[in-house]
Amino acid sequence: AQSVTQLDSQVPVFEEAPVELRCNYSSSVSVYLFWYVQYPNQGLQLLLKYLSGSTLVESINGFEAEFNKSQTSFHLRKPSVHISDTAEYFCAVSAASYDKVIFGPGTSLSVIP
Amino acid sequence: DVKVTQSSRYLVKRTGEKVFLECVQDMDHENMFWYRQDPGLGLRLIYFSYDVKMKEKGDIPEGYSVSREKKERFSLILESASTNQTSMYLCASSTSTSYEQYFGPGTRLTVT
Repeated sequence: AQSVTQLDSQVPVFEEAPVELRCNYSSSVSVYLFWYVQYPNQGLQLLLKYLSGSTLVESINGFEAEFNKSQTSFHLRKPSVHISDTAEYFCAVSAASYDKVIFGPGTSLSVIP
Repeated sequence: DVKVTQSSRYLVKRTGEKVFLECVQDMDHENMFWYRQDPGLGLRLIYFSYDVKMKEKGDIPEGYSVSREKKERFSLILESASTNQTSMYLCASSTSTSYEQYFGPGTRLTVT
């Protein structure tokens, strides 16, 4: 069975500062990894995903995540955050099953002006 | 753009009432999902469906049932609502060959 840990439930950061949201997973098989974002009063939307190939994946709004198999991690980073990045971020894992995605508990990112 | 809509954004029901939450997607997706979202617990899968009239239990199906009579519509039913079912309910859909799930805006259900 898979599980996802997001160690930080809340991360406050000043505008234009860098941020890292941590995600660790456990699985006995190969996995696919995702980050979803939930803006206030909205549903979740996919931010980025790792399926295969390069271990560094990027989103269109400047976030990136690196798959580290040895450390079973998929941390999300952004070099300079904006107020509009304030949201809840969920790390998720799937063991190559289209119908089963396990979500972490979420990290609330608050960007302070 | 894929659109997933949910029948209500906010709902208040009394203990013991039968509650229907409806979800509609407009992209002909095969898979549909119901999750509940609680602080500190993330999203937990209640039920999913991979085809019309097909359903599979998720991680927390107790107290819930579902119905999928048409491909675009997936309903979550609380037969007898209880206060511990107060939560945010999220519907999602995906194709049968993709990991990306598309979510609706959610229904915040309060059971008093």
